[in-house]
Amino acid sequence: GIQVEQSPPDLILQEGANSTLRCNFSDSVNNLQWFHQNPWGQLINLFYIPSGTKQNGRLSATTVATERYSLLYISSSQTTDSGVYFCAVLNSNSGYALNFGKGTSLLVTP
Amino acid sequence: NAGVTQTPKFQVLKTGQSMTLQCAQDMNHNSMYWYRQDPGMGLRLIYYSASEGTTDKGEVPNGYNVSRLNKREFSLRLESAAPSQTSVYFCASKDQVNTEAFFGQGTRLTVV
Repeated sequence: GIQVEQSPPDLILQEGANSTLRCNFSDSVNNLQWFHQNPWGQLINLFYIPSGTKQNGRLSATTVATERYSLLYISSSQTTDSGVYFCAVLNSNSGYALNFGKGTSLLVTP
Repeated sequence: NAGVTQTPKFQVLKTGQSMTLQCAQDMNHNSMYWYRQDPGMGLRLIYYSASEGTTDKGEVPNGYNVSRLNKREFSLRLESAAPSQTSVYFCASKDQVNTEAFFGQGTRLTVV
């Protein structure tokens, strides 16, 4: 199946700093999503972005499908941004389910 | 607007016991999924149902069975629980291939 690699695996930021998380995938995709898993374990949908760029407040995401990667930007980070960020992709030739990366664990300190 | 609802939220089982995890969605989605999440790992697919009346194995199906009861409900059954099945289980649903998936709040299962 399609392989998903996320980097960095861990990240510590001071409040107010910016960061970029990366997701590389091994094949073309029909679907790509970014999720935030908060410290209580909930998976929160951030972006559905198989291609192009989207922005939502301090977060934005860009997927370059032809080069098989996606980036999640967090600007002016806050302690509430802490948690694990997952990238998940779907290639319809390999089935109908999302394949997840192992995530980037982010800690934002005051 | 409940989205995807899982029950129970927490469960402790003894080795060899059986149980069923329930999942229901109110978004009229065709496809439903069961994943498990272990420490330091992403989510791994156990089983999925692309549409009502169909089910297929995912990456880690051993020790589990599923039932797509109707379009809304997709259950996951552990017939004889083992400590290796200690995990957090997530149910998800989506409509067509090129649409967003939504996840339930998870079930934290411990097998002792």
